[in-house]
Amino acid sequence: QVQLVQSGAEVKKPGASVKVSCKVSGYTLTELSMHWVRQAPGKGLEWMGGFDPEDGETIYAQKFQGRVTMTEDTSTDTAYMELSSLRSEDTAVYYCATFLEPVGPDSFDIWGQGTMVTVSS
Amino acid sequence: QSVLTQPPSVSAAPGQKVTISCSGSSSNIGNNYVSWYQQLPGTAPKLLIYENNKRPSGIPDRFSGSKSGTSATLGITGLQTGDEADYYCGTWDSSLSAFYVFGTGTKVTVL
Repeated sequence: QVQLVQSGAEVKKPGASVKVSCKVSGYTLTELSMHWVRQAPGKGLEWMGGFDPEDGETIYAQKFQGRVTMTEDTSTDTAYMELSSLRSEDTAVYYCATFLEPVGPDSFDIWGQGTMVTVSS
Repeated sequence: QSVLTQPPSVSAAPGQKVTISCSGSSSNIGNNYVSWYQQLPGTAPKLLIYENNKRPSGIPDRFSGSKSGTSATLGITGLQTGDEADYYCGTWDSSLSAFYVFGTGTKVTVL
């Protein structure tokens, strides 16, 4: 079975960047379409972006365009999400998420444990 | 703010039934599959329903999903204390460029 294990909590200053990792086990990263979702304290879920297998490209939510970069290292089966120009509103738990058949690309049935990113001066 | 609207909260006694609505538009629910997620406090979301009404392996049939037009509904029967959680609908939106959207979330309270 597939497992997603994320990196530990981070504390960053405003204006800095953060890079969160998501290590895949049980499958190879090339077999999955990885997405990233965040959740600010006491708030709802917010999709940030992910891999579109139809186009073979990573798509980003308009809100994060220019500030977020999602990459993959297939040699270590690790996905990364880097968010730059951090501000206090970026304080949130960041999740990686993906899906396996029979669940298709319209749902996320496999989630990482989450990484808390705190942005504070 | 989300383009999928859910009631902030619903409640019922143990053993009773609750329904949670998710209202969208033709660019999202109207033309895409709807999923439902359960999030217990301090944990990652868990998929309950995919493709409008299908349950992943291990999800009890107390949970059901339906879709009609631009709205979707999650039903929970035989409510248990362990069902007390936040519930989110989710789907793709293709209004301008494709993006995934989650509902505003509903807190289920077991009285």
